Amino acid sequence: EDKVVQSPLSLVVHEGDTVTLNCSYEVTNFRSLLWYKQEKKAPTFLFMLTSSGIEKKSGRLSSILDKKELFSILNITATQTGDSAIYLCAVEAGGATNKLIFGTGTLLAVQP
Amino acid sequence: DTGVSQDPRHKITKRGQNVTFRCDPISEHNRLYWYRQTLGQGPEFLTYFQNEAQLEKSRLLSDRFSAERPKGSFSTLEIQRTEQGDSAMYLCASSPRSKGETQYFGPGTRLLVL
Repeated sequence: EDKVVQSPLSLVVHEGDTVTLNCSYEVTNFRSLLWYKQEKKAPTFLFMLTSSGIEKKSGRLSSILDKKELFSILNITATQTGDSAIYLCAVEAGGATNKLIFGTGTLLAVQP
Repeated sequence: DTGVSQDPRHKITKRGQNVTFRCDPISEHNRLYWYRQTLGQGPEFLTYFQNEAQLEKSRLLSDRFSAERPKGSFSTLEIQRTEQGDSAMYLCASSPRSKGETQYFGPGTRLLVL
């Protein structure tokens, strides 16, 4: 059965800290891995990763995929209170539907 | 705001009642998805439409659930004879025709069944 596992489940840090969120997966017909940020509403898209070893970067956030070891990390540097959210990892399984299989998320709390 | 809209945003109903949710995807997107998210969990896939055709349904979608996308534009998700276990956030997402495009989520409909 396809599955996506995220760790840690929750994390509390202080402003300015750097955090690393982990996502491992086991899916048939892997197509891509996506990271979303979810505050008290719908998930908002951060990154889509399809190739191993190529870092994607957006401001203080960056992510990389390892297709051999079947995992991805999301890094956030110089964290701010506005980074507090649930970070969801999802894998797009192949086939006609391209449906997303989500992990349970990592709850990040950034304290001032 | 991603451009995907859902209505209503919140719904409180009594057990046994029927409810219907609506999703309006981004206009040029032909792919439409429904997901359900319960507290402390990531979204779980329910069903998928390509244009007006419903191409996949999860086994989570019991016979009390039905979804339609009659003209390949907006979609509705109906739950009949609601149960307390149906309480969740129902999310709609859409993506364009071309492969490699991500899914954009609407704000969700939060359902509470009393």
